[in-house]
Amino acid sequence: SQTIHQWPATLVQPVGSPLSLECTVEGTSNPNLYWYRQAAGRGLQLLFYSVGIGQISSEVPQNLSASRPQDRQFILSSKKLLLSDSGFYLCAWEKRDSLPNYGYTFGSGTRLTVV
Amino acid sequence: AQTVTQSQPEMSVQEAETVTLSCTYDTSESNYYLFWYKQPPSRQMILVIRQEAYKQQNATENRFSVNFQKAAKSFSLKISDSQLGDTAMYFCAFMKHRSSNSGYALNFGKGTSLLVTP
Repeated sequence: SQTIHQWPATLVQPVGSPLSLECTVEGTSNPNLYWYRQAAGRGLQLLFYSVGIGQISSEVPQNLSASRPQDRQFILSSKKLLLSDSGFYLCAWEKRDSLPNYGYTFGSGTRLTVV
Repeated sequence: AQTVTQSQPEMSVQEAETVTLSCTYDTSESNYYLFWYKQPPSRQMILVIRQEAYKQQNATENRFSVNFQKAAKSFSLKISDSQLGDTAMYFCAFMKHRSSNSGYALNFGKGTSLLVTP
């Protein structure tokens, strides 16, 4: 069966420090991968998605970047965190050939607090 | 751009009762998918139910069912026989149909916080 792992679960980082959040998927190949952010009291905002190794699409300009060094690995990074980067970050995957669409499977999320 | 609106920020229901959560969306697409996700206090996002726009029959999953009104662009979720474990934030989401393997965003509403009371 397919599983998605996301870590760390919680993170407290000072302003200006770097960030690296990792997401890996097991039990499937060639997944589409997504990074979402959930701010307090708001819905989920898509940050990045990837349809293959090295292929990254950014949905919103921001202080963050993403990379996909391996087929089932998706990394969210920042060189210098801002206070506004605080939030709950969710990774998700879907089968690339899932037509009709069956929806995403989400990881358990990372709570990031920038202090 | 597609927008998803959930007009009820908070709702409560007593255990064993039925509750309906509202969702409307705006799109010019003719073929698309609609979803309801549940986010309990653990923050894990769980897919509850999905609906394909070309299907007229409303989707059901055990105690969960939807009322899909395509012309009105409405997609409400009905929870029957509510249980304490149904307490969660519920998100309505929209995705347009894709003809290729390209990635595409799920567009989420802002959510409805549901509290099931004993």
